[in-house]
Amino acid sequence: DAGVIQSPRHEVTEMGQEVTLRCKPISGHDYLFWYRQTMMRGLELLIYFNNNVPIDDSGMPEDRFSAKMPNASFSTLKIQPSEPRDSAVYFCASSGDQSEQYFGPGTRLTVT
Amino acid sequence: QKEVEQNSGPLSVPEGAIASLNCTYSDRGSQSFFWYRQYSGKSPELIMFIYSNGDKEDGRFTAQLNKASQYVSLLIRDSQPSDSATYLCAVTLGAGGYNKLIFGAGTRLAVHP
Repeated sequence: DAGVIQSPRHEVTEMGQEVTLRCKPISGHDYLFWYRQTMMRGLELLIYFNNNVPIDDSGMPEDRFSAKMPNASFSTLKIQPSEPRDSAVYFCASSGDQSEQYFGPGTRLTVT
Repeated sequence: QKEVEQNSGPLSVPEGAIASLNCTYSDRGSQSFFWYRQYSGKSPELIMFIYSNGDKEDGRFTAQLNKASQYVSLLIRDSQPSDSATYLCAVTLGAGGYNKLIFGAGTRLAVHP
């Protein structure tokens, strides 16, 4: 199994631009999670899906952030407009019936 | 009060020693407990999970859970320099949050030759 796949691995953009992060979960996993990691705040859960349906988006920082999961093998996290404080590493993770979550390699986002 | 607490470290141990990493959590309803290892610049990697009170061993790693004390630990025997990383404790958020993990800030482990 290829594991969780994320793209791009690095993204540098200017403030005000739209950013789209992509994730392909492990095949057969029903849960997909988006996290953000910073030195100051650690690893924070932004949103998670079960069977493509958003279950809990209480961690999404504000309306500039949105996430979709149009099918079982693809999810996006969009930031529009981006701001410098959004700079972080964004991880996607997936899990099956049990709670064990497996993380993708992450996208390092820098907003200048 | 933070929901999952860990000592940030660094915890420095000599090669070959036992490293003991500790974690406390606040939600008595938490059911599942995980340890992730994260190397600098890499993603968290699941190394242990435990659901029942007691010990669970996997190679050089032992996870220990005490739900009454709301305490979970990770022991690494025969520590190697390659074990140097940040170790994240994660806990499910109560009975209703079956798949929602809350992470601690992590403990940085440094194993020196």
